[in-house]
Amino acid sequence: SYELTQPPSVSVSPGQTASITCSGDKLGDKYASWYQQKPGQSPVLVIYQDTKRPSGIPERFSGSNSGNTATLTISGTQAMDEADYYCQAWDSSTYVFGTGTKVTVL
Amino acid sequence: EVQLVESGGGLVKPGGSLRLSCAASGFTFSGYTMNWVRQAPGKGLEWVSSISSSSSFIYYADSMKGRFTISRDNAKNSLYLQMSSLRAEDTAVYYCAREVSYSSSYYFDYWGQGTLVTVSS
Repeated sequence: SYELTQPPSVSVSPGQTASITCSGDKLGDKYASWYQQKPGQSPVLVIYQDTKRPSGIPERFSGSNSGNTATLTISGTQAMDEADYYCQAWDSSTYVFGTGTKVTVL
Repeated sequence: EVQLVESGGGLVKPGGSLRLSCAASGFTFSGYTMNWVRQAPGKGLEWVSSISSSSSFIYYADSMKGRFTISRDNAKNSLYLQMSSLRAEDTAVYYCAREVSYSSSYYFDYWGQGTLVTVSS
């Protein structure tokens, strides 16, 4: 079955850039999405179709996808961005989520 | 405003059954594929099942096949998950999620607040 791997944690200072990777076999041939989940809350879509932001998502969130890796980038990270982030792809009529990355804003 | 409200969670013994519901509002429910996604305590997201708008296409994660049954009632704007032969490892928050599909892109644009299922003796 298809698997997506993320680093367990990423630390970033306020105002700096955080990059979260998501690795999967030929992931670049699929579309990747990203979700943000804060403690006790439901996931929120922050990036879809590799690079697109839903309305209401700040411009500091951006995405890319090529080769075997999709990347979520948070530019000018704010304290409110501290959360768990999950990538997601679709493969053979099933959804696959990444292992999740906890972003800590120090 | 799109709203998805899950209900039906609770404490159930191993081997028992439970039926979850998701009430949808604020959009044309019959026009969307709907999904269930779960999250065990302190763990990541795990896709459970999907059902197309007219119930013609239904898919399950391998670990749920034969034990879980997804269904929907478009007249009632409701999604269901019938769970049987429950195990301790099925303990999780179960989310209802609306699917968007476009040109080989599939993702969830709205999620409910979740309902907690605890399987324990």
